[in-house]
Amino acid sequence: DTGVSQDPRHKITKRGQNVTFRCDPISEHNRLYWYRQTLGQGPEFLTYFQNEAQLEKSRLLSDRFSAERPKGSFSTLEIQRTEQGDSAMYLCASSLLIYEQYFGPGTRLTVT
Amino acid sequence: DQQVKQNSPSLSVQEGRISILNCDYTNSMFDYFLWYKKYPAEGPTFLISISSIKDKNEDGRFTVFLNKSAKHLSLHIVPSQPGDSAVYFCAAIFSLSGGGSNYKLTFGKGTLLTVNP
Repeated sequence: DTGVSQDPRHKITKRGQNVTFRCDPISEHNRLYWYRQTLGQGPEFLTYFQNEAQLEKSRLLSDRFSAERPKGSFSTLEIQRTEQGDSAMYLCASSLLIYEQYFGPGTRLTVT
Repeated sequence: DQQVKQNSPSLSVQEGRISILNCDYTNSMFDYFLWYKKYPAEGPTFLISISSIKDKNEDGRFTVFLNKSAKHLSLHIVPSQPGDSAVYFCAAIFSLSGGGSNYKLTFGKGTLLTVNP
């Protein structure tokens, strides 16, 4: 399987706990993106990496959120002190060309 | 404010007929438009795209039309098949001038297409 993979697929956590998600992009893709999708909405942009450099962050990414892409390969998204409003599907995408982004299956986070 | 709008939450068509999904946008700086299909519990799958310098792009059963003056695009699926039943998202992207670049996709809320056998 050469697509974008994400782990875990589902995460249930209690409010106040920290969670970390992983994304493995398509191997030759140097661009990596994180999006968040809530019920009834389209995906919303969170952050963008070109190789290991984080080039853009959305205002949606509060101080409790941090993303990394060490060595320009896989990426992690950490949420500290989770809140119920963080419950969503977290989607990772990668691309070689600027425009056409290929998405992974997502990680569904439920904060209780 | 929604910069990309899909005003029809759902659409139902008969197998073999044409499905037309519509999308409007407000930001005239958008350079490029994409359609994604999403099944439940899966990530969006890229379908087809169109540059703002074109007015039509075709790929098999899928055709996207762009009307820049009306800030409107549409996705035509002919003939529609039951396997096309999914949520379809319209997305737009633009590059900022002046040395900055914006690579984020801005999505609409999606349209649920149901193709009945």
